[in-house]
Amino acid sequence: GQQVMQIPQYQHVQEGEDFTTYCNSSTTLSNIQWYKQRPGGHPVFLIQLVKSGEVKKQKRLTFQFGEAKKNSSLHITATQTTDVGTYFCAGTNFSYGKLTFGQGTILTVHP
Amino acid sequence: ETGVTQTPRHLVMGMTNKKSLKCEQHLGHNAMYWYKQSAKKPLELMFVYNFKEQTENNSVPSRFSPECPNSSHLFLHLHTLQPEDSALYLCASSQGMQAYEQYFGPGTRLTVT
Repeated sequence: GQQVMQIPQYQHVQEGEDFTTYCNSSTTLSNIQWYKQRPGGHPVFLIQLVKSGEVKKQKRLTFQFGEAKKNSSLHITATQTTDVGTYFCAGTNFSYGKLTFGQGTILTVHP
Repeated sequence: ETGVTQTPRHLVMGMTNKKSLKCEQHLGHNAMYWYKQSAKKPLELMFVYNFKEQTENNSVPSRFSPECPNSSHLFLHLHTLQPEDSALYLCASSQGMQAYEQYFGPGTRLTVT
């Protein structure tokens, strides 16, 4: 079945440092989504990427979809304490049509 | 903030109890989902309903029984649970099945004693 792997599992940064989480799929994806879950909260949709090589930005967040549509990354520039939480990628497989979530990266930002 | 509501928010039940979790979405979506989220584990998809029809059951034990009476409501009936079933149970909805973002409810924190 489809697997979506996400690394790292944990990331501790000092406020102001950059942060990147990577997502890799065992199969080609039709699209990839990113979600954020604050501590004690529920996952909230951030963005969806569809095109090969696509790059989208939301303020300090940059999302990228790989050329082969099997990997993606989320980069946060100059982290703030409000960025803490778990970031999940979720990919839809062309064949299965099912959204599969990665394990998530737990981000801690030290002030 | 969210158009997906879940009740109760917290539930403590014994292994012999029967309880139900309720989810309601006010977004006019056609697909609804149940996920289990345990500590240090990824989101585990349990059930998927599309237009009230169950389209996926991810090898979930029969002690979990879903019900979807209409596109806006989703239930998860629980009976004879085990302590390892303690987790956050999240409901989500989406407009369709593919390439649509999912909107999550706040979850029900379940503790099985």
